[in-house]
Amino acid sequence: ETGVTQTPRHLVMGMTNKKSLKCEQHLGHNAMYWYKQSAKKPLELMFVYNFKEQTENNSVPSRFSPECPNSSHLFLHLHTLQPEDSALYLCASSQDINSAYEQYFGPGTRLTVT
Amino acid sequence: GENVEQHPSTLSVQEGDSAVIKCTYSDSASNYFPWYKQELGKGPQLIIDIRSNVGEKKDQRIAVTLNKTAKHFSLHITETQPEDSAVYFCAASLGGSGAGKSTFGDGTTLTVKP
Repeated sequence: ETGVTQTPRHLVMGMTNKKSLKCEQHLGHNAMYWYKQSAKKPLELMFVYNFKEQTENNSVPSRFSPECPNSSHLFLHLHTLQPEDSALYLCASSQDINSAYEQYFGPGTRLTVT
Repeated sequence: GENVEQHPSTLSVQEGDSAVIKCTYSDSASNYFPWYKQELGKGPQLIIDIRSNVGEKKDQRIAVTLNKTAKHFSLHITETQPEDSAVYFCAASLGGSGAGKSTFGDGTTLTVKP
């Protein structure tokens, strides 16, 4: 148990569906991250938030929409996804974006787009 | 930006043997180097880290060495056990603003054969 939880753990959705991924951290951290991990591909950083403010968007398509209502919660809203978006989506947190400390990862949401 | 290269991409060893994974980084300003282990169905978890003011760090069967001049660092696992089988990621973090964000290597799949 890392202190970072993600729900759901598995999600199957059609290309016209709208769904949301949820991440919650119980560590008192101020920075939160979304990563995409495809089969046989490295971790791809998608979004970074620090103190609820988005500090980085790595050219992610607009069909992925993040939301960070407070430092403990992070959402990823999905709509009109493509089959190539099927992947493991990992959430992580760290003390804050300007301090070099480890990141704590959740177990991920396995997303399949049909 | 920072670039991290990791080798090998796959590594197979016999139980009891040692395993070594190597990473190089491009930005000499990087000063924090964590290593993560990702088991099947889980998110990556920190196993050891090293900062640039130290050349070597050891924790039981795991050790990390850092050569700042050559800009490379390595993970050493001795007396490998089947439960060491996993994907291992190295990472590097720049100091200062944005230090909490790490650049990850592509990962090494380690298989320990009983």
